Amino acid sequence: EVQLVESGGGLVQPGGSLRLSCAASGFTFSNHWMHWVRQTPGKGLVWVSLINTDGSSTSYADSVKGRFTISRDNAKNTLYLQMNSLRAEDTAVFYCASGYSYSEYWGQGTLVTVSS
Amino acid sequence: EIVMTQSPATLSVSPGERATLSCRASQSVRSNLAWYQQKPGQAPRLLIYGASTRATGIPARFSGSGSGTEFTLTISSLQSEDFAVYYCQQYNNWPWTFGQGTKVEIK
Repeated sequence: EVQLVESGGGLVQPGGSLRLSCAASGFTFSNHWMHWVRQTPGKGLVWVSLINTDGSSTSYADSVKGRFTISRDNAKNTLYLQMNSLRAEDTAVFYCASGYSYSEYWGQGTLVTVSS
Repeated sequence: EIVMTQSPATLSVSPGERATLSCRASQSVRSNLAWYQQKPGQAPRLLIYGASTRATGIPARFSGSGSGTEFTLTISSLQSEDFAVYYCQQYNNWPWTFGQGTKVEIK
């Protein structure tokens, strides 16, 4: 059974940092591009970042460029999102998802709340 | 950035009836369009990719059509488990973008 399990969310003050993790199982993680997508009630689903299979190529939404860093450890079957300089508008549920274009596998999401 | 616009925002349908959801792109995305279903507290579930190809395990009552800028998701006979929010997503131009969703509710 394919599983993606996010962790690392929580409450953080504006300007703070968090590191999200996504543990993958049930499929060959190292063969799949991976994404982070976030969701808020007001803005719906918004793509955040993408990483290729070996981690050598990454892309970011303009809203997080320079503040967020996506990475992966294929030996540990884990995807990461390092989030720095967090803002109130980064408050969302963050999902990891597989695939380069559309995403067949999604995690259950982890909530990030940025508030003082 | 390509803007995806879904209509209607809410669709009230009786069980057993047909539901037709629309998605429009601000410029052509060819057939590089996916549809997802999301229920409260759950992650999105892939239904359709390539505008018309059903994902693994998706019932035949779900069908997608369209290309370019106009797309449709049709649910031929709504079942109780189909009441949810549906999103379209383009993957033709970076960054990938989603529509704002159509909520299908029980009439």
